[in-house]
Amino acid sequence: GAVVSQHPSWVICKSGTSVKIECRSLDFQATTMFWYRQFPKQSLMLMATSNEGSKATYEQGVEKDKFLINHASLTLSTLTVTSAHPEDSSFYICSARDITSLQPQHFGDGTRLSIL
Amino acid sequence: QKEVEQNSGPLSVPEGAIASLNCTYSDRGSQSFFWYRQYSGKSPELIMSIYSNGDKEDGRFTAQLNKASQYVSLLIRDSQPSDSATYLCAVNWGTGFQKLVFGTGTRLLVSP
Repeated sequence: GAVVSQHPSWVICKSGTSVKIECRSLDFQATTMFWYRQFPKQSLMLMATSNEGSKATYEQGVEKDKFLINHASLTLSTLTVTSAHPEDSSFYICSARDITSLQPQHFGDGTRLSIL
Repeated sequence: QKEVEQNSGPLSVPEGAIASLNCTYSDRGSQSFFWYRQYSGKSPELIMSIYSNGDKEDGRFTAQLNKASQYVSLLIRDSQPSDSATYLCAVNWGTGFQKLVFGTGTRLLVSP
């Protein structure tokens, strides 16, 4: 089945640091990638949708200048949390989909971000 | 506002029993429906997808969809302790119906 690799799986850093998370589709071309955030005991909340070669579309309430998304190729999207603060600590999960197929979204393993 | 509703549980069933998980959704235009399983600290794993009214079976799992009632369910037969997890219902929406909106999930506990 489709494999989506997400890296790093876990990061701890100081407040004010910027953190980059990578999401790669390993065996298919991901025309569309999605970034989610999940707080403890809550469901996944979509942050933004990125299409290869174009600007990401952010959901209401998500700061595009804080959460920078780049989808430069059909296999790689990155999320950069700029000037991270403790309230940004969460579980960030990417998913990818080949829009030309009927396959649903496949999720990466997630990145647990802890800001001290 | 797009909404997907699930009972948060926990739903407790004994090993070998049938677990029944339910989900309702608000957008009548939704066309694709998914059940994901999420273990604690892990990302969601796709269990079932269903696109048309009726039942769809895959091994011990059966998804049921009723678009008129805006209702989708997941039955797990012969439940095992390893099935203990949170089950997320997801429904597509948005331009081109690419996006997924998730319910809050139902926690399932299967006791040996």
